[in-house]
Amino acid sequence: DAGVTQSPTHLIKTRGQQVTLRCSPKSGHDTVSWYQQALGQGPQFIFQYYEEEERQRGNFPDRFSGHQFPNYSSELNVNALLLGDSALYLCASTPGTGVYEQYFGPGTRLTVT
Amino acid sequence: LAKTTQPISMDSYEGQEVNITCSHNNIATNDYITWYQQFPSQGPRFIIQGYKTKVTNEVASLFIPADRKSSTLSLPRVSLSDTAVYYCLVGDRGAGNMLTFGGGTRLMVKP
Repeated sequence: DAGVTQSPTHLIKTRGQQVTLRCSPKSGHDTVSWYQQALGQGPQFIFQYYEEEERQRGNFPDRFSGHQFPNYSSELNVNALLLGDSALYLCASTPGTGVYEQYFGPGTRLTVT
Repeated sequence: LAKTTQPISMDSYEGQEVNITCSHNNIATNDYITWYQQFPSQGPRFIIQGYKTKVTNEVASLFIPADRKSSTLSLPRVSLSDTAVYYCLVGDRGAGNMLTFGGGTRLMVKP
C-alpha cells in the first residue's frame, strides 16, 4: 500500500518565478492538506482540499493556491516566488475531514535563489 | 487554538525511558492532545493521541492529568533511532484537521 507521495523531491527556482508541487494521497484517502516547514521550525498549515474544493486555509497570501483532482491528488502552486518561500513543503492526507491522524509525505524541498 | 509549550531539546541514552512534557494551560473542553514525531527531511508521523488519563500503544504512552493543562509523552527504552523532533498538538478533532505545530522538542539519544 503506497503511502503519500510527493514530487519533485527537490527544486531550485529563481525569485519571481512560479512553481507547482504535486501530491498523491495514501490509498483510500480523499482529503489533502499542505504545510510549509521552514528550517528549524514546525510545519505551518497552508490549506486543505476535500471534494476538489479548498475547505480550510491558514495564514498564507493568495500567491499560494492549490487544486485537487477527481482522483484526490493535489497540486500546490506558488506564484511570484520570494526568498522566504524556501522551505520543505509537506503534503498530508486523511480519510475525510476532521481526522487528526494525518499521513505525511516526504516533502518537496524548495530553494528560491 | 490552545498554545503549547515544550522543552526545546532533551538528551538521553540508549535504553532509558524518556518523558517529554507539554504545557497547554488554555486547553478547551473539546480539545484532544496529539503527538507527532519527525525525522530530518521526512514528514511528521503520528505517534499517539489522548483526551484524559492514560493512553498506551505499541510505541509510546501518553499521560494526561485530571486538569488536562499538561501532558507527558513517555518513550520506553529509547534507541538511537528515536532521535527526532517531537511535536505536541492540541486541538478540536471536530473542527477540521488543520494541525498547528509549535517548535517541538529535539530529542537526542546517545549511545
